Amino acid sequence: QKEVEQNSGPLSVPEGAIASLNCTYSDRGSQSFFWYRQYSGKSPELIMFIYSNGDKEDGRFTAQLNKASQYVSLLIRDSQPSDSATYLCGAGAGSYQLTFGKGTKLSVIP
Amino acid sequence: ETGVTQTPRHLVMGMTNKKSLKCEQHLGHNAMYWYKQSAKKPLELMFVYSLEERVENNSVPSRFSPECPNSSHLFLHLHTLQPEDSALYLCASSQAGAGTEAFFGQGTRLTVV
Repeated sequence: QKEVEQNSGPLSVPEGAIASLNCTYSDRGSQSFFWYRQYSGKSPELIMFIYSNGDKEDGRFTAQLNKASQYVSLLIRDSQPSDSATYLCGAGAGSYQLTFGKGTKLSVIP
Repeated sequence: ETGVTQTPRHLVMGMTNKKSLKCEQHLGHNAMYWYKQSAKKPLELMFVYSLEERVENNSVPSRFSPECPNSSHLFLHLHTLQPEDSALYLCASSQAGAGTEAFFGQGTRLTVV
């Protein structure tokens, strides 16, 4: 059974702080990892993907992957109230397999 | 223009009704997906079509019947649903290949009464 685990939160951070979102996955065959942001009542929106061990930065977002520990994280620097949403972690293995966690609800307090 | 378009956005149906959800993608992708999102549960992959052939069916009850007439269109036919089937149904598309990200439609909020 392929599983992706996330702390459901809510995770509350003050505006301007760093938000750290974590995810673990069970399938060692997973090759690709994705972070989606989902606002209430909206569909998931891709914000980051990472395939290789290490860090990947895109603006205020940094994704980190450690395949040995089966661990993925997303850091959001200078958090803004508009970052308040549920963040879904996804792990992909093969052409079509994309398994998601339950999501972590992030609340950025002004 | 939204890359993946779903209709209707909201649907209320009785347990004896038959209805269909429609999805259309304008991204030139060759794989399409149906996901179910219920409250406090992970996104559940229901069906995957690649090059118009079903390649994944994750033990979904037969009251859900997918159809993929071409690489741009995907349907989910619904009949004799149960109240527990009420959820957000999301369509997604991707370019099939290792590690390709999925792009989601806006979803259909389904309520079964």
